[in-house]
Amino acid sequence: SQTIHQWPATLVQPVGSPLSLECTVEGTSNPNLYWYRQAAGRGLQLLFYSVGIGQISSEVPQNLSASRPQDRQFILSSKKLLLSDSGFYLCAWSPWNREGEKLFFGSGTQLSVL
Amino acid sequence: GQNIDQPTEMTATEGAIVQINCTYQTSGFNGLFWYQQHAGEAPTFLSYNVLDGLEEKGRFSSFLSRSKGYSYLLLKELQMKDSASYLCAVRSSFSGGYNKLIFGAGTRLAVHP
Repeated sequence: SQTIHQWPATLVQPVGSPLSLECTVEGTSNPNLYWYRQAAGRGLQLLFYSVGIGQISSEVPQNLSASRPQDRQFILSSKKLLLSDSGFYLCAWSPWNREGEKLFFGSGTQLSVL
Repeated sequence: GQNIDQPTEMTATEGAIVQINCTYQTSGFNGLFWYQQHAGEAPTFLSYNVLDGLEEKGRFSSFLSRSKGYSYLLLKELQMKDSASYLCAVRSSFSGGYNKLIFGAGTRLAVHP
């Protein structure tokens, strides 16, 4: 069966510090991978998606970047965090190009930038 | 562009029925999803509609009208544990046959005794 791992669960970082959140998927090949952010009391905002190794699409201009060094690994990064980067970050995957397939979410990372 | 609207908050009584509406405007529509999200947790899948009509799954049902850009989630026999946010999400197809899922802001449902 497929599983998705995301870490860390919580993170407190000072403004201006770097960020690296990692997500890995097991039990499937060539998944579509996604990073979402959810601000407190708000909906999910799609940040990045990837349909293959090294292929990253950004949805909104921001202080963050994403990379996919391996088929089932997706990394969210920042060189210098801003206060506005605080939020709940969710990694998700879906089977590639399959109709009716839902997103499967990781457990999330609660990031607080102080 | 894409736009998804749903009410911000709703309240209901335990044992009652509640309907959460969602309207959307999108290009390349390729399905509508409903997710449930408890505070501080990841969303969990509830239902999927790609054709017009009603899909029933236990206490939860979801309806879709593609011509109207409209969906609703119906929750029956409400329980206290149903207090959560309910997210409407639209999947859009884009070049290359790939899809992405765009979420609405969610509806916070409070169930009280």
